[in-house]
Amino acid sequence: GNSVTQMEGPVTLSEEAFLTINCTYTATGYPSLFWYVQYPGEGLQLLLKATKADDKGSNKGFEATYRKETTSFHLEKGSVQVSDSAVYFCALTITGGGNKLTFGTGTQLKVEL
Amino acid sequence: DAGITQSPRHKVTETGTPVTLRCHQTENHRYMYWYRQDPGHGLRLIHYSYGVKDTDKGEVSDGYSVSRSKTEDFLLTLESATSSQTSVYFCATQGGETQYFGPGTRLLVL
Repeated sequence: GNSVTQMEGPVTLSEEAFLTINCTYTATGYPSLFWYVQYPGEGLQLLLKATKADDKGSNKGFEATYRKETTSFHLEKGSVQVSDSAVYFCALTITGGGNKLTFGTGTQLKVEL
Repeated sequence: DAGITQSPRHKVTETGTPVTLRCHQTENHRYMYWYRQDPGHGLRLIHYSYGVKDTDKGEVSDGYSVSRSKTEDFLLTLESATSSQTSVYFCATQGGETQYFGPGTRLLVL
């Protein structure tokens, strides 16, 4: 089956620190990969995506590269802000699989001044 | 924002009572989904729909049913609520390659 594994949280960083949130996956077929973000009290929003190997998704200073050889899609940001405090979810969907998303358990990020 | 609303936003109910959650979308998206979010589990798919009257089970469908009589509405019903169904429920629609999520319904079953 399909599964997504994320690093355990919470992750606490100081403002302007470098962020990495690890994500690895197992999948049958050809997955597309996503990072979603959930701010307190809200639904999930798409942060970035990559649909094939070696693609890099980027948005709002966040980046993630689809690494087929290591089955990974790690999220990075060079300088985090307090406003980045949220829960981050890695997810995958399989082409032709009804667009069903398989999510990781989420990683809570807290950024302090 | 894909114009997704959920109602109610909060509900407290008692074990054994039926509960219906509503998802309404204004984007005319064909695919709609219901997820539940629980600590340590992320989001898990309950049921999804690929068109009016066309639905299928997801990963955690036991104890839940759905209906879709119109493109814009997708209902999730707990026939007899249990405490294990206390959760936050999210509706989503598929637009292109992206799923868009509603604001969620927080359900407490006492």
